[in-house]
Amino acid sequence: AQSVAQPEDQVNVAEGNPLTVKCTYSVSGNPYLFWYVQYPNRGLQFLLKYITGDNLVKGSYGFEAEFNKSQTSFHLKKPSALVSDSALYFCAFPLGGATNKLIFGTGTLLAVQP
Amino acid sequence: EAGVAQSPRYKIIEKRQSVAFWCNPISGHATLYWYQQILGQGPKLLIQFQNNGVVDDSQLPKDRFSAERLKGVDSTLKIQPAKLEDSAVYLCASSPRTSDSTQYFGPGTRLLVL
Repeated sequence: AQSVAQPEDQVNVAEGNPLTVKCTYSVSGNPYLFWYVQYPNRGLQFLLKYITGDNLVKGSYGFEAEFNKSQTSFHLKKPSALVSDSALYFCAFPLGGATNKLIFGTGTLLAVQP
Repeated sequence: EAGVAQSPRYKIIEKRQSVAFWCNPISGHATLYWYQQILGQGPKLLIQFQNNGVVDDSQLPKDRFSAERLKGVDSTLKIQPAKLEDSAVYLCASSPRTSDSTQYFGPGTRLLVL
């Protein structure tokens, strides 16, 4: 079955340091891949997506993600973490076909310490 | 542009009671999704509408859950009777069309069943 995996339940990083939130995929064909962020007691906010083309995708709030076909990964990165980046991050892909529903990973909690 | 609106934001009920959630998508968005997010998991699709027609309700527990989108705009999701395991956040999302896989989420309704 097609899926995305987020191997880390939690990532801790100090403010000002670079951060990486990992995602690997098992999706057939040319995958579309998404990152969403969820702040406490809020809905999911769209960060960025990879459709095709440039493997480095830039998104909201200074985040970027690199699509790596050989490693089947789509890691989320930011050069300098902020305390306000602390949130739950989800990797996802659309199932395609008639539904195009999003299939989400289990989420990674990012904690940025001041 | 106004985002996806949901109400109520929080609801506490006892098991076997009924509850209804309301969603108003972004203006002009033809596709509307209801997701269930259980604590510690990624959201899972319950039902998807394209205008006022159902595209996918394969994961909707139809013995207790129902949803409608009568005029192709706002939507209501109902649970009757509720079970303890229905405690979750119910997220509504919309997209311009099914082929556009970017979905925009509302703030969610947090349901606690006692």
